[in-house]
Amino acid sequence: AQTVTQSQPEMSVQEAETVTLSCTYDTSESNYYLFWYKQPPSRQMILVIRQEAYKQQNATENRFSVNFQKAAKSFSLKISDSQLGDTAMYFCAFMKPFYSGGGADGLTFGKGTHLIIQP
Amino acid sequence: GAGVSQSPRYKVAKRGQDVALRCDPISGHVSLFWYQQALGQGPEFLTYFQNEAQLDKSGLPSDRFFAERPEGSVSTLKIQRTQQEDSAVYLCASSQTSGDEQYFGPGTRLTVT
Repeated sequence: AQTVTQSQPEMSVQEAETVTLSCTYDTSESNYYLFWYKQPPSRQMILVIRQEAYKQQNATENRFSVNFQKAAKSFSLKISDSQLGDTAMYFCAFMKPFYSGGGADGLTFGKGTHLIIQP
Repeated sequence: GAGVSQSPRYKVAKRGQDVALRCDPISGHVSLFWYQQALGQGPEFLTYFQNEAQLDKSGLPSDRFFAERPEGSVSTLKIQRTQQEDSAVYLCASSQTSGDEQYFGPGTRLTVT
């Protein structure tokens, strides 16, 4: 079974600063997907960024980028020029490739990091 | 287009009551997932449908939990004889096909008293 660990329960930074959220995972799979989801206080989960393990290039999405270290099983999220609207719970999640069969598509989530952006 | 919707948004049940939670996925999405999110925790996978077929129910915590998607669109998660430990937010997600991005609904917050 896969496990996802987020070691920072809460982080707080000033607006416009850069912040990095850490995530490590454990799996015996060689191919898989990794995600960062954002859950604002309204609780609607929103996808922030996605990374396929077979791609060496780190994914980027505007102010959001990841540092994917496959050998170390590490998948950190960097938020540049942080904004007040970035305040939310951030969850790292793992998914086996769909061809693994059965419920492989089910996401395994970490416990989350509560990110607070201070004005 | 409309996103994933769930109803009710909030449900209070007395211990021992049965509840039914509804999920309307994005139209045309083949895959549908249910997750349980306890307070202060990340969501945990419950079950997965591909069209009307329930391909994985390994995450259902007990035989009091039952899910169905009879016509391959709307899904219902039913909890029989609710217990206090069932109190959580139940999230539904859908994706266009296997391996695609999952879109989440707003969740149903279930409180068992």
